[in-house]
Amino acid sequence: EPEVTQTPSHQVTQMGQEVILRCVPISNHLYFYWYRQILGQKVEFLVSFYNNEISEKSEIFDDQFSVERPDGSNFTLKIRSTKLEDSAMYFCASSESGFDEQFFGPGTRLTVL
Amino acid sequence: AQSVTQPDIHITVSEGASLELRCNYSYGATPYLFWYVQSPGQGLQLLLKYFSGDTLVQGIKGFEAEFKRSQSSFNLRKPSVHWSDAAEYFCAVGAARFGNEKLTFGTGTRLTIIP
Repeated sequence: EPEVTQTPSHQVTQMGQEVILRCVPISNHLYFYWYRQILGQKVEFLVSFYNNEISEKSEIFDDQFSVERPDGSNFTLKIRSTKLEDSAMYFCASSESGFDEQFFGPGTRLTVL
Repeated sequence: AQSVTQPDIHITVSEGASLELRCNYSYGATPYLFWYVQSPGQGLQLLLKYFSGDTLVQGIKGFEAEFKRSQSSFNLRKPSVHWSDAAEYFCAVGAARFGNEKLTFGTGTRLTIIP
């Protein structure tokens, strides 16, 4: 069964460093998403991406964040200068259409020290 | 803006007993509704979804949910829980706009199963 994969599973970084979180969506999907879940809190929408551009972003997704689909398979989330409050589990998701269920990856746990 | 409320933070149920997890949503139009389950250290797995049509939807692992527009609710049920159902359950509402669907999640309900 096709699935969304994410790497790394856990990333530890120093405050102020740049991180790139990687995702491989399901191959025939066209819509891509990033969500995050701070420990003990709910899952929050960050950004959606379609046709090589951002469709929608939340207020969390400020200038420190960017997304990219550098090739036909990967979808990345970059945080330019990490802050302590960026520590969270980051989930990638994809869907075949904009009106369909989203399939989530296993997540990347980001720890900022 | 859409929102989801899951009033029960933690529920404990005996194995074999029935289960109902509550979810209330707020959304101006017809919502797309989902229930996801998250086991410890795992990602989110879709249990079931409601887009339109029959208001009683069946999902995986023996779960079902009923959409009640008059009550703005989408409660999740299972007639007999198994120890493996212990997990965190999230209700979510989808806002389809411009062909794009952003999910808004509730705060989750942690389910504990006792023997």
